[in-house]
Amino acid sequence: GESVGLHLPTLSVQEGDNSIINCAYSNSASDYFIWYKQESGKGPQFIIDIRSNMDKRQGQRVTVLLNKTVKHLSLQIAATQPGDSAVYFCAETSGNTPLVFGKGTRLSVIA
Amino acid sequence: DTEVTQTPKHLVMGMTNKKSLKCEQHMGHRAMYWYKQKAKKPPELMFVYSYEKLSINESVPSRFSPECPNSSLLNLHLHALQPEDSALYLCASSPEEAGLAGLETQYFGPGTRLLVL
Repeated sequence: GESVGLHLPTLSVQEGDNSIINCAYSNSASDYFIWYKQESGKGPQFIIDIRSNMDKRQGQRVTVLLNKTVKHLSLQIAATQPGDSAVYFCAETSGNTPLVFGKGTRLSVIA
Repeated sequence: DTEVTQTPKHLVMGMTNKKSLKCEQHMGHRAMYWYKQKAKKPPELMFVYSYEKLSINESVPSRFSPECPNSSLLNLHLHALQPEDSALYLCASSPEEAGLAGLETQYFGPGTRLLVL
């Protein structure tokens, strides 16, 4: 979800369900992507990354999917837990440019 | 260990004050960054240091002055700030500034919450 105006898009999911957070990027030259999780009052925390020569990468309970054709990135969280509640940012770089952050999506887990 | 530390956690200052934010990492990273983050917004890059030299200044006003005393430390000196400078200031570090994917993965500190009155 991309933000519109001043409001951060929010995704609400039931505890135990899977979550999918989406991110569209604009730079076709971007070749490295990162997902960060930011809890209230804390700095962004690295979750998972992916290079442009891959279309899927899995971590612990998280999967990142990359579709370069439509410049789309998604983060899937399996069996979402209350501790997953946070703002999630995607970030991209072409390697010789600074990291560019997406607008963020707030994930709210309903117990 | 992927820890970046920042001090202080909170800072309140007047528009005529001079203060400094500090950042430290002991991961051997050669690139360090300052970001500014307003509420409900993504981090905005301010400065990048690579091998202790200023690499990028994103047209930041001169009332913000970065300093990199050594490869582990990064300071941000503040002087004559405005109320609109109130924000969360984040420090990050990465093994290298850019290049091979993975070596530019940035690790963030917890931030300093700054309030300018």
